[in-house]
Amino acid sequence: DAGVTQSPTHLIKTRGQQVTLRCSPISGHKSVSWYQQVLGQGPQFIFQYYEKEERGRGNFPDRFSARQFPNYSSELNVNALLLGDSALYLCASSFTGARAHEQFFGPGTRLTVL
Amino acid sequence: AQSVTQPDIHITVSEGASLELRCNYSYGATPYLFWYVQSPGQGLQLLLKYFSGDTLVQGIKGFEAEFKRSQSSFNLRKPSVHWSDAAEYFCAVGAAGSSNTGKLIFGQGTTLQVKP
Repeated sequence: DAGVTQSPTHLIKTRGQQVTLRCSPISGHKSVSWYQQVLGQGPQFIFQYYEKEERGRGNFPDRFSARQFPNYSSELNVNALLLGDSALYLCASSFTGARAHEQFFGPGTRLTVL
Repeated sequence: AQSVTQPDIHITVSEGASLELRCNYSYGATPYLFWYVQSPGQGLQLLLKYFSGDTLVQGIKGFEAEFKRSQSSFNLRKPSVHWSDAAEYFCAVGAAGSSNTGKLIFGQGTTLQVKP
């Protein structure tokens, strides 16, 4: 079975621009979570979505938004990019309910903001 | 607030030697606990998980971890390290009981270097 897929693999943007990252979950998984991993640190939770609704949000500004589609894929949008947004953005998928914490991660999208 | 501490930022072991990576968590109730491994430029791979039951859990690649409630710890062990185990290791905690929120809180990670 295919794992979690993310696109693009790498992205370079300039300050003030907007970016959209995409994620397709493992087949059968209905929940998608997004994490930001700054170099040298552990991943930080940004959002969780299932049934197309936001179910959890981390301590990130409103410049960060996401949505989930009927096929359970998801997009993460970041507006007005700052240098500090440079990071590896990880998508994870899982079942819902009691197994929501057992998350499987994609390879990530490396975002560089210049 | 929940938190995870990995006291060792960097560990170097010789190939064939045993390994223990430390993880301490802060959480009021019984947590869900995880260990992930990340190779350079890659995503995270789940090594093992603890939800309940037997406090010694077995994972992939010969890893095991022991949940000790009294010490709020979930240390990762491997009896004999292979050169391919060199990577970044993350401990994570999930909030058990929070309705359907799969938020994981990660430690800062431990970089494992393996000497030949």
